[in-house]
Amino acid sequence: KQEVTQIPAALSVPEGENLVLNCSFTDSAIYNLQWFRQDPGKGLTSLLLIQSSQREQTSGRLNASLDKSSGRSTLYIAASQPGDSATYLCAVNKAAGNKLTFGGGTRVLVKP
Amino acid sequence: DTAVSQTPKYLVTQMGNDKSIKCEQNLGHDTMYWYKQDSKKFLKIMFSYNNKELIINETVPNRFSPKSPDKAHLNLHINSLELGDSAVYFCASSQEGTRRAYFGAGTRLSVL
Repeated sequence: KQEVTQIPAALSVPEGENLVLNCSFTDSAIYNLQWFRQDPGKGLTSLLLIQSSQREQTSGRLNASLDKSSGRSTLYIAASQPGDSATYLCAVNKAAGNKLTFGGGTRVLVKP
Repeated sequence: DTAVSQTPKYLVTQMGNDKSIKCEQNLGHDTMYWYKQDSKKFLKIMFSYNNKELIINETVPNRFSPKSPDKAHLNLHINSLELGDSAVYFCASSQEGTRRAYFGAGTRLSVL
């Protein structure tokens, strides 16, 4: 059974600092891994998707890496801004069967 | 144009009532899902449908009955609501191939 863990559960940084969010999963037989952002009371916004054959994906200030063999992904957010404050969720899609298994999320606060 | 839209956004009801949540996607995806986010913000899959056919049913009580009249719609009907059903329910759809998932804004269900 796939389990996904995100550490830390919460993070508070001053504006301008780089953010590093960690995600680990127990079963390396994955199809892809997605990072989402969730604002309070809102839905999920897809940030980055990394296919199992890829090592990283980048979009603007966001970079996500994937090490399938060790069951880890890291989301880097460069030069954080107060608008980056949100909960970030990591989700893994199994190779067999199309469903996402989510981590518990990391709640990020960027202080001006 | 909202890609995945679900209604209503909020639902407050008494224990024992029956209620429905509707979901529609205009992305042309074949696969749709229902996820539940509990009070601890943990997201878990309930059902998935591919082209109107049930693919995943994750040990959800049979008081919950999904219905997919066509591949763009996936509705969720809940009978005999219980206090423990209070949660946010998210509809999602995903692309073939990449399996990138897109989520609706969520329906916050409160059972009193």
